[in-house]
Amino acid sequence: EDKVVQSPLSLVVHEGDTVTLNCSYEVTNFRSLLWYKQEKKAPTFLFMLTSSGIEKKSGRLSSILDKKELFSILNITATQTGDSAVYLCAVSSGGSNYKLTFGKGTLLTVNP
Amino acid sequence: GAGVSQSPSNKVTEKGKDVELRCDPISGHTALYWYRQSLGQGLEFLIYFQGNSAPDKSGLPSDRFSAERTGGSVSTLTIQRTQQEDSAVYLCASSLGVVGGGSPLHFGNGTRLTVT
Repeated sequence: EDKVVQSPLSLVVHEGDTVTLNCSYEVTNFRSLLWYKQEKKAPTFLFMLTSSGIEKKSGRLSSILDKKELFSILNITATQTGDSAVYLCAVSSGGSNYKLTFGKGTLLTVNP
Repeated sequence: GAGVSQSPSNKVTEKGKDVELRCDPISGHTALYWYRQSLGQGLEFLIYFQGNSAPDKSGLPSDRFSAERTGGSVSTLTIQRTQQEDSAVYLCASSLGVVGGGSPLHFGNGTRLTVT
């Protein structure tokens, strides 16, 4: 059975700090890893990673995948209160190329 | 519309009643998914549609759950004889193609179902 584990489960930081969120996985025939941000309601798509070592970047957020060690990290620099959310990691595997297996998420709280 | 639309946003029902949840995907998206999010748990896959067909219903928790999609667009998830353990947020998502082919899922705001 596919498995996705995120750490830490929760994190509290001050504005301006840099944070690193972790996602490790065990899946059969890995295809892609996705990061989502969930505030009150709909998870919103951040990144899709398919290749090792290639950093994806969007503003203060960046992410990278290590397919050898089976993990990904999501970095947020110069955090703002608006970054407070649950960050979800999900993996797509070859057994069923339409299904995402999600981790339980990391709750990030950024205090002013 | 611009995004995935779900209705109602909140539903409170009595145990034993039937409920219908609706999802209107992004126009042109052929793939549609239902997920369930319970407190403290990750998102749990329920069902996937490609067009009007549901090749994978394996995630539906019991035969009280069913879903359909018509016209390659709107989908409804029906829960019969609701139980308290059905209380959760039901999220619908759509994508242009399958996620394994490089198409990320776009989620709606969900329906929060509370069974009393």
